[in-house]
Amino acid sequence: RKEVEQDPGPFNVPEGATVAFNCTYSNSASQSFFWYRQDCRKEPKLLMSVYSSGNEDGRFTAQLNRASQYISLLIRDSKLSDSATYLCVVNMQTGGFKTIFGAGTRLFVKA
Amino acid sequence: GAGVSQSPRYKVAKRGQDVALRCDPISGHVSLFWYQQALGQGPEFLTYFQNEAQLDKSGLPSDRFFAERPEGSVSTLKIQRTQQEDSAVYLCASSLAILAGSYEQYFGPGTRLTVT
Repeated sequence: RKEVEQDPGPFNVPEGATVAFNCTYSNSASQSFFWYRQDCRKEPKLLMSVYSSGNEDGRFTAQLNRASQYISLLIRDSKLSDSATYLCVVNMQTGGFKTIFGAGTRLFVKA
Repeated sequence: GAGVSQSPRYKVAKRGQDVALRCDPISGHVSLFWYQQALGQGPEFLTYFQNEAQLDKSGLPSDRFFAERPEGSVSTLKIQRTQQEDSAVYLCASSLAILAGSYEQYFGPGTRLTVT
């Protein structure tokens, strides 16, 4: 089992739709959580951090459930420019330190 | 306000050759990470530096991979005797946080390595 697993995708949605991505992690030593966005042939860029209390940034809402080891990202009112791959990211410190990325979920928003 | 830079951007190597990939992190960033990203996959962690100390190298796939950051700034990832399975994009990221537990990582554009 992979340490971080995401919805396989791709998600094809029309403009204006609401779309939700899920992510689970297996290591309870995981300490911090993020969603990154990666455009085709570009480097990943931070979209938002994820906190237990939940956090919102405009059309984007992220949630963390530590008990279930589950992270989610909700995008409301999808725009064409939201088309990208969304990467779930977990930092863990177990002896050493590492950052684990999920395989990513591809989103296509169509007019 | 330069970001993370990597060189070369593209590298073609013949199987068996050694390659060296360079990363210039954002000035003042203590933490530096190397990742390997295969097509259609998320980045895979290779190694992590805090200043010049390599604190985690558990992701390096074999002893052909070696990373260093001798002065705590520029880092080099070296791959010896390259194999076709080494073909991937190698991403470098830096972070301001000393413990790097919860701070944003800023990525460079990557080096696309193709082994023929």
